[in-house]
Amino acid sequence: QQQVKQSPQSLIVQKGGISIINCAYENTAFDYFPWYQQFPGKGPALLIAIRPDVSEKKEGRFTISFNKSAKQFSLHIMDSQPGDSATYFCAARAAGNKLTFGGGTRVLVKP
Amino acid sequence: DVKVTQSSRYLVKRTGEKVFLECVQDMDHENMFWYRQDPGLGLRLIYFSYDVKMKEKGDIPEGYSVSREKKERFSLILESASTNQTSMYLCASSTPRQGLGYEQYFGPGTRLTVT
Repeated sequence: QQQVKQSPQSLIVQKGGISIINCAYENTAFDYFPWYQQFPGKGPALLIAIRPDVSEKKEGRFTISFNKSAKQFSLHIMDSQPGDSATYFCAARAAGNKLTFGGGTRVLVKP
Repeated sequence: DVKVTQSSRYLVKRTGEKVFLECVQDMDHENMFWYRQDPGLGLRLIYFSYDVKMKEKGDIPEGYSVSREKKERFSLILESASTNQTSMYLCASSTPRQGLGYEQYFGPGTRLTVT
C-alpha cells in the first residue's frame, strides 16, 4: 500500500504549456516534501522541496503548492520545455531521513 | 560534486544465484540507501544504513541483505535471486550535516534481470 499516491502516471503537454502533477499522503508525521526528476539512464535528482509550514515554493519555472489540511501537494511546471521531458517523483520524509516515494509521472513535452 | 557510483549498469543472473550489487559514494556521507524502482510503484526502500556497520530494514527487505563495512561502500546482496527481483536498483546517500533538507544523491542504477 503506497503511503504517497501520485497522479497522473503520464502526461503529454505542448511546449509552453503547464504540467501539473498531484500527490496525496496520509501520514501526518511527514515533515518534508521533495520532488525528484529522473532522466532516462540516470538516477533521480532533487528538483525542489517544501516544508509543511509553507503553502507555496517557486524556483524558476517549477512551483510546489502545498495544502496541509487536504494532505495534498502538487508540482507545476510553467512554460514546459522539451528538456523537461522526464519522470517526476514526489516524496515525503518521516523521522530518520527515510523518504517514501510516489509512483512517478512520466512527462513528455512535445515541441 | 557528489558522486554515487554503482558497480554495474546491467546485470543478468540466473535464478538461485547469489548476487552482489555495490555502491560507493565519495562525499563522506553517513546515510546510504538501497531502493528498487518498478513502473507504477516508484522507488521502494529495501534497506538503509545510518553509519558503518549499522543497517535497518526498509519497506521491502525480504529476500535481500546488506553490508556496510566502510563508510563509503554499501552493498546489496540477493542471497538466492528470483525472477521477481528483476528490477532497477538504485543506491543513494545523504548526510544530516547539510541541514534540514537531507537531500539524497542517487547513483545511475543497476538494471538486474533474473532469468
